Amino acid sequence: AQKITQTQPGMFVQEKEAVTLDCTYDTSDQSYGLFWYKQPSSGEMIFLIYQGSYDEQNATEGRYSLNFQKARKSANLVISASQLGDSAMYFCAMREPRGTSYGKLTFGQGTILTVHP
Amino acid sequence: NAGVTQTPKFQVLKTGQSMTLQCAQDMNHNSMYWYRQDPGMGLRLIYYSASEGTTDKGEVPNGYNVSRLNKREFSLRLESAAPSQTSVYFCATWTFSGGRETQYFGPGTRLLVL
Repeated sequence: AQKITQTQPGMFVQEKEAVTLDCTYDTSDQSYGLFWYKQPSSGEMIFLIYQGSYDEQNATEGRYSLNFQKARKSANLVISASQLGDSAMYFCAMREPRGTSYGKLTFGQGTILTVHP
Repeated sequence: NAGVTQTPKFQVLKTGQSMTLQCAQDMNHNSMYWYRQDPGMGLRLIYYSASEGTTDKGEVPNGYNVSRLNKREFSLRLESAAPSQTSVYFCATWTFSGGRETQYFGPGTRLLVL
């Protein structure tokens, strides 16, 4: 069974600083995908970034990067130059091997990020 | 191009009432999903449909049924609502293209069961 752990219930960061949100996962599979989503107070789920287990380079999408450490089974999200609009709940999720799951995601509990001016 | 749409946005039910949550996508994706999100928690998979004509149970299927009406539409039915089904329900689709995966979510349906 897969498991996603986000150990930081809440994080605070000063505007324009960088912040790292932690995510560890547990799987015995070799092929999997890792996702980060942002959920603002309005409630929608916004896709941020994806990392495949076989990708050798860390994924980046604008101010978002994923620090993927396969041996440690961690997939931390780094947000550079934080903005007030980054204040939201952030979820880490893992997709099971494609051959069996067709894209089913398992989510962590989330981290609430608050950006201070 | 609306992406993933869900209706209704909000619903209040009394215990024992039934209702159907509707989901439609215009991205021509094969796979569709229903998740629920309880307060302060991550999403949990209720049911999914890998392709038109197939449906399978997820982590928390009890109390729900689904129908994959066609490639575009995937509905979730509560036959006899219970207060424990008070939640926010998200529909999603999944695509894998060019070595990259993305799961797109609808805006959600907030359901309150009294």
